[in-house]
Amino acid sequence: DSGVTQTPKHLITATGQRVTLRCSPRSGDLSVYWYQQSLDQGLQFLIQYYNGEERAKGNILERFSAQQFPDLHSELNLSSLELGDSALYFCASSTGTGGFGETQYFGPGTRLLVL
Amino acid sequence: TQLLEQSPQFLSIQEGENLTVYCNSSSVFSSLQWYRQEPGEGPVLLVTVVTGGEVKKLKRLTFQFGDARKDSSLHITAAQPGDTGLYLCAGAAGGSNYKLTFGKGTLLTVNP
Repeated sequence: DSGVTQTPKHLITATGQRVTLRCSPRSGDLSVYWYQQSLDQGLQFLIQYYNGEERAKGNILERFSAQQFPDLHSELNLSSLELGDSALYFCASSTGTGGFGETQYFGPGTRLLVL
Repeated sequence: TQLLEQSPQFLSIQEGENLTVYCNSSSVFSSLQWYRQEPGEGPVLLVTVVTGGEVKKLKRLTFQFGDARKDSSLHITAAQPGDTGLYLCAGAAGGSNYKLTFGKGTLLTVNP
């Protein structure tokens, strides 16, 4: 158990819909990262928040957005869903800003299926 | 864009055999990490290598970072069924950019 929790574990929805994925980081961790894992693309970094502020951006689509709240939990919002958005979405957390030598701890993931 | 190519993509072996998986890139990384991911779980960090030519051992697992810091290998001695999983390498460009770039992984199955 990494100490990172993600809800829901599974999500089935239809194209065009909007969903929200939730992540609670390990106690004391200030950074939250979101990743998407698919068979064809592998594990791709989407976005990082540090202490409530966006810190780094990866391959995140404009239809996707995220935020980190004052209690440090984070939400990833996916809108206008397409079939290709079906994937595993992981949240990870780390103690600081994500610099050299810092370990990211991954949650168990949310499996999203868009029909 | 930095890319990491992992090979082989799939590997199925018998318990007790040795194996090596590879992680290659045309780009230089300041550090490289190896993770293992089991079904239904997130990746778990195994090791971080930072110096060209560095070798690190973790029980039966040996990790090596290439001299030019563009490639890495993971060698498992006397594989056990508990080693089964998806092995991912991830590189950090360094400087002010510590975003991780992941390879697509090697799916290892160790049969009893």
